[in-house]
Formats: sequence, structure tokens, C-alpha cells
Amino acid sequence: SYELTQPPSVSVSPGQTASITCSGDKLGDKYACWYQQKPGQSPVLVIYQNTKRPSGIPERFSGSNSGNTATLTISGTQAMDEADYYCQACDTSTYVVFGGGTKLTVL
Amino acid sequence: QVQLQESGPGLVKPSETLSLTCSVSGYSISSGYFWGWIRQPPGKGLEWIGFVHNTGSTSYNPSLKSRVTISLDTSKNQFSLKLSSVTAADTSVYYCARRVGGSGTYFESWGQGTLVTVSS
Repeated sequence: SYELTQPPSVSVSPGQTASITCSGDKLGDKYACWYQQKPGQSPVLVIYQNTKRPSGIPERFSGSNSGNTATLTISGTQAMDEADYYCQACDTSTYVVFGGGTKLTVL
Repeated sequence: QVQLQESGPGLVKPSETLSLTCSVSGYSISSGYFWGWIRQPPGKGLEWIGFVHNTGSTSYNPSLKSRVTISLDTSKNQFSLKLSSVTAADTSVYYCARRVGGSGTYFESWGQGTLVTVSS
């Protein structure tokens, strides 16, 4: 079965750039998407088709995907960005795979 | 704008069947898209359960396939989840969501989630 690996935690200082990685076999051949989940809330899509942002998602969120790794980048990180982030292999497969999640701490 | 809302019992006994319904407003589920269920054990990550297409075709997580049924009720604009023979390991927050298909698939809209506890 296909697996996606994320670091359990990432820390960043306010105003700095945070990068969260997601690794999977030939992930770059698929689309990757990313969800943000704050405590007690439902996940929210922040990146789809590797680089696209849904309406309402700030421009500081960006994505890339190449080789075996997809990356979510948050530029000028704000305290409100502190959350869990999950990647997903978003291809046409009939199966859905999520990464294990990364807790982003802004300190 | 589509909205989804989960409903169902918050407590289920071991070995029984968990049944949840997702009510959809703002869009007719018979018109398109995939309609899915995802769960999240307390303090843990997301686990995909399965989804149903508006045509009625389904896809399930292989690890749950033998116990899962997802179906549409277009007359009520709802879709449902049934998970049989539950154990404490099935205790989770259960989310319903709309999945966009095509060249890059993703869950674009989610319900608020409902906690289901499996306990006697």
C-alpha cells in the first residue's frame, strides 16, 4: 500500500518561513494537496493540485511537488498558522492516502 | 456554497453497527462529485474510510472494506456510513466530505465532525 511520511513536528518563529515535507514513492508523479486542522476544528484544504490555493487561503501558503517529496511552505508565518497539517496524494486513484500529519508550532 | 452535517449516535456498543448520516445542503448529491467519510481517532491522524460517487459506485479503504458500506439517499440529499462489528479502536471523530474528482482529487468541503465512542 502507498504511504506518505511527514515529520511529526516543525517549529518556526513568527515572520519566518515554515516548510513541511511529505515523502512518498514517486509522489512527484501525482498531485499533492494539503489540509490545515486547528484544534477542535475540521480540516481545511489549503493547497490542491500541488500549487493551487482555494479561495480565501492567504498567499503566504504555497506548495511544490517533485521527485519523492511535496512541500508546503508558509511565508511570513503568523501565530494563527499554528495547526496540524496533513498531506494527501491527490491523484485519480480510487484509494485515498493521508500523511501522518505535522504539528506546526509558532514560537 | 455546499454544507455538510454529520448525525448519528455518539455511543455504540462493541460488536454492533455504527451508523452515521451526512446531510448535504446547497448542492444536489445526485448531480456529481464523490461523497466521502474520513475518521480521526482522538489525538491521532486522518484515516480515509471510503466514498461513493453520485452514480452509486463506491471505493473503500482496504483495511476496513469488509465492515464498511457507504450509500446515497438522493431523495433526502444524504449519504450514509455503516461500519459493522465495531471495537474500541473505531472510537473516532467521523467527518463527511465532498471530494472533487478529475485530474487532481481532493476533499474541498468538510462537515464539522461527530465523535463516536465505542463502549459498553
